[in-house]
Amino acid sequence: EAGVTQFPSHSVIEKGQTVTLRCDPISGHDNLYWYRRVMGKEIKFLLHFVKESKQDESGMPNNRFLAERTGGTYSTLKVQPAELEDSGVYFCASSKLPGPYEQYFGPGTRLTVT
Amino acid sequence: AQRVTQPEKLLSVFKGAPVELKCNYSYSGSPELFWYVQYSRQRLQLLLRHISRESIKGFTADLNKGETSFHLKKPFAQEEDSAMYYCALSGRAAGNKLTFGGGTRVLVKP
Repeated sequence: EAGVTQFPSHSVIEKGQTVTLRCDPISGHDNLYWYRRVMGKEIKFLLHFVKESKQDESGMPNNRFLAERTGGTYSTLKVQPAELEDSGVYFCASSKLPGPYEQYFGPGTRLTVT
Repeated sequence: AQRVTQPEKLLSVFKGAPVELKCNYSYSGSPELFWYVQYSRQRLQLLLRHISRESIKGFTADLNKGETSFHLKKPFAQEEDSAMYYCALSGRAAGNKLTFGGGTRVLVKP
């Protein structure tokens, strides 16, 4: 069984540019979560999808972040325009419904904004 | 608000010595507590969860609701235990999202 995959593994962009991160959950997992770890801080929740619906987006830092989950399959997280403080590692995790089941994590995308 | 505190950023022990990673939490309701581990160049993975009451790789953790703690213990540390360990909390009321502590880096010296 393939695990959670994320693309790209590393992205370096300039302040003001746009970046889109992608997450492919484990097949059949309806729950999809985004988390991030900024330098020196703990891993923090960003948002939660159940299938294609946003269940909880209370962790999204501001309206420069936009997440989508097309057809309840893969998800994208777009940052537009990127700021320096957005640098960090973005993790995606998936789990089965209804929960609480183990969340399986992807390898993360390291975003560097210069 | 839910919160997880791991007071130690770094724990350095010798091989064969006991190791204990501290975790304290605050949560209104019945929490689910987890320990996740990230080995070098690997993804974050579940080590154990309190409801399963298992011992994984020699590690155990007991939920103490009175002290709101979920400390991770291993009686004899091995070099392959060197990793980053995160205590995490979730609950149905919060949609099962995970709240993480800051993490503890464990270094097991030969």
